[in-house]
Amino acid sequence: EDKVVQSPLSLVVHEGDTVTLNCSYEVTNFRSLLWYKQEKKAPTFLFMLTSSGIEKKSGRLSSILDKKELFSILNITATQTGDSAVYLCAVDRNAGNMLTFGGGTRLMVKP
Amino acid sequence: NAGVTQTPKFRILKIGQSMTLQCTQDMNHNYMYWYRQDPGMGLKLIYYSVGAGITDKGEVPNGYNVSRSTTEDFPLRLELAAPSQTSVYFCASRGTGGGYTFGSGTRLTVV
Repeated sequence: EDKVVQSPLSLVVHEGDTVTLNCSYEVTNFRSLLWYKQEKKAPTFLFMLTSSGIEKKSGRLSSILDKKELFSILNITATQTGDSAVYLCAVDRNAGNMLTFGGGTRLMVKP
Repeated sequence: NAGVTQTPKFRILKIGQSMTLQCTQDMNHNYMYWYRQDPGMGLKLIYYSVGAGITDKGEVPNGYNVSRSTTEDFPLRLELAAPSQTSVYFCASRGTGGGYTFGSGTRLTVV
């Protein structure tokens, strides 16, 4: 059975801190790993990772995939209160055409 | 460009009632999905469709039905609502580039 596990479950930091969110997976026919940010409504897309070792970067956020270790991390530097959200990791497979989601990491950034 | 539109945004149902959650996309995407998200959890796949006339079960299909008579529409039907179906429901579509677009969600409470 496909499995996506995120850690930690929740995290409280202060503005300016750097955080690392983890995502491990066991999925057959891996195609890509996606990171989403979810505030109050629908998940919004952050990154899609398909190749191992290549960092994707967008402003203060970055992510990297290790296909050998079946692991990805999402880094947020110089956190701001607006980064407070649930961060979801999901894995897309070649067969079945569906996303399997992890349980999410709830990040709270205090001023 | 509306993307993925879900209606209604909120609904309260009594046990045993039925309803249809509507989902429409205007991006001509073949793949469409219904997910549910329980409080503090990730998203779980209910049903998905790879094209008009084709649907398949996801991880948690019991208590739900879907149809896909057109490319644009993918309604989700609850026949006999139960308290366990209290959740937030997200519809999503996926284009050939692999990116997923989510609707804004329907918050359903069954009392």
